[in-house]
Amino acid sequence: AQTVTQSQPEMSVQEAETVTLSCTYDTSESDYYLFWYKQPPSRQMILVIRQEAYKQQNATENRFSVNFQKAAKSFSLKISDSQLGDAAMYFCAYYYFGNEKLTFGTGTRLTIIP
Amino acid sequence: GAVVSQHPSRVICKSGTSVKIECRSLDFQATTMFWYRQFPKQSLMLMATSNEGSKATYEQGVEKDKFLINHASLTLSTLTVTSAHPEDSSFYICSARATYNSPLHFGNGTRLTVT
Repeated sequence: AQTVTQSQPEMSVQEAETVTLSCTYDTSESDYYLFWYKQPPSRQMILVIRQEAYKQQNATENRFSVNFQKAAKSFSLKISDSQLGDAAMYFCAYYYFGNEKLTFGTGTRLTIIP
Repeated sequence: GAVVSQHPSRVICKSGTSVKIECRSLDFQATTMFWYRQFPKQSLMLMATSNEGSKATYEQGVEKDKFLINHASLTLSTLTVTSAHPEDSSFYICSARATYNSPLHFGNGTRLTVT
């Protein structure tokens, strides 16, 4: 069974600084997707970034980028120039086409310090 | 962008009654919809996967007779919590996608409180 681990329950960062959230996963599959979702207090799940496992290039979306290490099964999220609006729960998620399941990690609560 | 509407956003019901939660894809046809449950300060746990026109596939440990899922059209799936108990109180979130490799779009969730 696939599992997703986020070892940092809480993180904080000064506004305008950079922070990295960690995620590791366990799978025997070679073709899958990885995601980072943001859940603000409104509880709406917002897709931050997506990485296809077959792509070697790390995905980037404006201030958000990932460090995808397939062999190590590691998928960290880097947020540059942190803004107050980035404060939220961040969930790492794994998706495998074979069973069509999206498995979430336990989440990291990110606080932005003004 | 694609929008998934979930209704109601909050519902309070008495123990023993049933409550229905709707999940609608507003601007795309959702062949597959997913229902998640989220306990306070915890992650989202997949409850079931529903494909339009067929029976839902439930995750291990989820009571299919308690959590009835219907996906009768390409834009609507419903979750009915039958004979609700206080332990069913939780945050329920749906998500939908058009095809197997399409992005998942989430509803805003429903907070269910059973008194």
